[in-house]
Amino acid sequence: DTGVSQDPRHKITKRGQNVTFRCDPISEHNRLYWYRQTLGQGPEFLTYFQNEAQLEKSRLLSDRFSAERPKGSFSTLEIQRTEQGDSAMYLCASSFWAAEAFFGQGTRLTVV
Amino acid sequence: KNEVEQSPQNLTAQEGEFITINCSYSVGISALHWLQQHPGGGIVSLFMLSSGKKKHGRLIATINIQEKHSSLHITASHPRDSAVYICAVPVSGGGADGLTFGKGTHLIIQP
Repeated sequence: DTGVSQDPRHKITKRGQNVTFRCDPISEHNRLYWYRQTLGQGPEFLTYFQNEAQLEKSRLLSDRFSAERPKGSFSTLEIQRTEQGDSAMYLCASSFWAAEAFFGQGTRLTVV
Repeated sequence: KNEVEQSPQNLTAQEGEFITINCSYSVGISALHWLQQHPGGGIVSLFMLSSGKKKHGRLIATINIQEKHSSLHITASHPRDSAVYICAVPVSGGGADGLTFGKGTHLIIQP
């Protein structure tokens, strides 16, 4: 297992377009987290899954954001009708229950 | 909701110096995380601790649960230690939710 992988690493999109990011966690990890990080700031929690169930969503996750983890393995984060304020690094992490979390390299989104 | 304060925000030191980064939080927690982030975004977990002290190589992390405070120390600092160091705790204190992060300490070690 090579760790948590995220795809794509970089995405440039025009305002108003939809984008989808993918996260593949470490295979035996049952928890998967999405975070967003803007320049110069620490990451902010967006949502997390335990297996396929989405257990918690931050108020940062507006109606334009949706996340899924259909089979309890990989997860997708979709942003509809992107806005310039959505430009950020989107980080995925996974863990086995509440043990140490492992982070992916992130997807850097730029909305132009 | 837990709030995390880190200090200092920026730290520049000479190679070989002993480094201390501090973190305080507002709500009792199950565990605290110290993370390292290099330019380009990748985050690496350094420590997860719930009491006392942990050591890994030149890195030492301590936590005082009663005072809601943790420190990360780097002994014999080296330019390759230059990175952003981030403290993180569970959003609501328990072990069943995501993390809330400090703003990070930007560390530069000069040769």
